[in-house]
Amino acid sequence: AQSVSQHNHHVILSEAASLELGCNYSYGGTVNLFWYVQYPGQHLQLLLKYFSGDPLVKGIKGFEAEFIKSKFSFNLRKPSVQWSDTAEYFCAVNSGYSTLTFGKGTMLLVSP
Amino acid sequence: EAGVAQSPRYKIIEKRQSVAFWCNPISGHATLYWYQQILGQGPKLLIQFQNNGVVDDSQLPKDRFSAERLKGVDSTLKIQPAKLEDSAVYLCASSKSTDTQYFGPGTRLTVL
Repeated sequence: AQSVSQHNHHVILSEAASLELGCNYSYGGTVNLFWYVQYPGQHLQLLLKYFSGDPLVKGIKGFEAEFIKSKFSFNLRKPSVQWSDTAEYFCAVNSGYSTLTFGKGTMLLVSP
Repeated sequence: EAGVAQSPRYKIIEKRQSVAFWCNPISGHATLYWYQQILGQGPKLLIQFQNNGVVDDSQLPKDRFSAERLKGVDSTLKIQPAKLEDSAVYLCASSKSTDTQYFGPGTRLTVL
């Protein structure tokens, strides 16, 4: 069974700091990779996804993620965070018709 | 485009009682998912429907949980009888096929 590991459960940054959230997965075959975000009081929303092609994926609100197949990683990055980026971030993976497996999430708190 | 609708948003019951949750997916989405999200963890798939047929229910505790999707549109998830460990947010999601899943706001269940 595939698994997803998110390295940090809680991250605290000041506004304008750079962000990198780690995500590693266990499945060795072809995968689809996702980052979802949950803002306070809101439902899970898709931030970005990778199915194939360019391993550097750009998403909404200035976020990007890089798929490194050799490292089984799909880290999320943003060069300069804002207070409004305070949220919980989930990495998720599926392969073909397999179910979507989520990591435990990383709570990001951005202080103004 | 309307999103995934769920009701109720909150539910408090006592252990051994029964409870039901309702989900209306995005129009045209053939695949519907029910997830359980326990505090501090990522969503865990309970059951996946393709139209009105079950694709995957391997992680559904079938002794107490049941789900149906009549007519391939709306779905209900039932717990009977509830246990304390069922306290969680129950998320419904839908997708066109195995593509991106879109999540509803969830139902927060508290079992006392």
